[in-house]
Formats: sequence, C-alpha cells, structure tokens
Amino acid sequence: RKEVEQDPGPFNVPEGATVAFNCTYSNSASQSFFWYRQDCRKEPKLLMSVYSSGNEDGRFTAQLNRASQYISLLIRDSKLSDSATYLCVVNEMDSSYKLIFGSGTRLLVRP
Amino acid sequence: DVKVTQSSRYLVKRTGEKVFLECVQDMDHENMFWYRQDPGLGLRLIYFSYDVKMKEKGDIPEGYSVSREKKERFSLILESASTNQTSMYLCASSTPSTAEAFFGQGTRLTVV
Repeated sequence: RKEVEQDPGPFNVPEGATVAFNCTYSNSASQSFFWYRQDCRKEPKLLMSVYSSGNEDGRFTAQLNRASQYISLLIRDSKLSDSATYLCVVNEMDSSYKLIFGSGTRLLVRP
Repeated sequence: DVKVTQSSRYLVKRTGEKVFLECVQDMDHENMFWYRQDPGLGLRLIYFSYDVKMKEKGDIPEGYSVSREKKERFSLILESASTNQTSMYLCASSTPSTAEAFFGQGTRLTVV
C-alpha cells in the first residue's frame, strides 16, 4: 500500500464548478499535511497547509480527518488557471523531516 | 524569495557514466531533498539530509549517493548511470519549523 494515495484523475470540470480531491495516508503518526500545486513542466509549489480544524484560503478549503486518515481539498468557482496537478503531501516528523508525496490528481478546467 | 537552484535543466549522459547533479539553496535551510518524478509514479524520495554531512536514504536510494559538505549545497551522484535512471530530478529544501519545501526547477536527465 502506498503511503499517500490520491485518485490520479483527470478531473475535467467546467469553469465555475466546485471540485473536491481526497487523499489518504497510511502512517497514523504523520504530523503535518499540505497541498502542493504543480503546473505542467514546472516544479511543485506549496498551495496551502492543512490544519486539524480545517482552513480556507479564498476559493480553496482544506480539511483533515485524522481518525480516517484522509485529507481533502475543495476548489470553488473553478478558474481556467486552476488547471494543474494537485499533490497531497504528508510530513513524518520523527527524527527527521521526511516529506511523502502522493502521485497527484490532475485537474482540467474547461471554458 | 527562497531560491533553490539546480545546476542543469537538461542533461544527456551515456550508460555507465558517473553523473553529478548539483543543488544550491540560499535560505540557510537545514533540510535538503532529492526526488525523482516519473509519469504515474509521482515524486519519489531518493535521499535527504537534515544537516551538513548527515544523510538518510529515502524510498529508492539504489544506484544513487549524495554529498552534503556545506549547508547550502546538496549533490546527487549516479555512480554508473543506467537507462532506467532517465527521469526528472527535483531538489528541495525546507526548515524544520515550517516543513514547507521549496523546489528547484528540476533537471531532466536522459541516459542513452
């Protein structure tokens, strides 16, 4: 079983749609959680951290469910510029700071 | 702005060659990482380092080694390049306090 699993997609949605991605992780000791965004042929960049109480940044909402070991990302009012791959990332903060990446979910927003 | 710089964007090497990929960060970050990214497999951790001269194996260290002689520089070495090491290689750095990773632009390595 992969440590961090995501549906690879692609999710193909019209502009203005709401879309949600889920991610599951296997290590219950995981401490920190993130969503990264990766544009085609570019490096990944941090989109937002995920906090236990849930957090929002504009059109983006991230939630964490520790009991079920999953993380979600909700995008409201999708824009063409949201087209990218979204990577779920888990930090195993034991004696080191190892980031584990999911393989990503591809989003295509069409006009 | 944090800057992570990889020495090459594109490299073509022959099978059996020793290959050096260099990464430099300018934000005094303690942690540095090397990943490879392949279609359908996502980012896989090769090695990481949490201090000068300290290193730990990631998920796929076979065929690779690393060197961290200075805090700002983390080198990935392919001891004897093989065609299955053709990939996109990404370097990243982070601090323990935030764990946010900053990536270099990537090196696309082709081994022929």
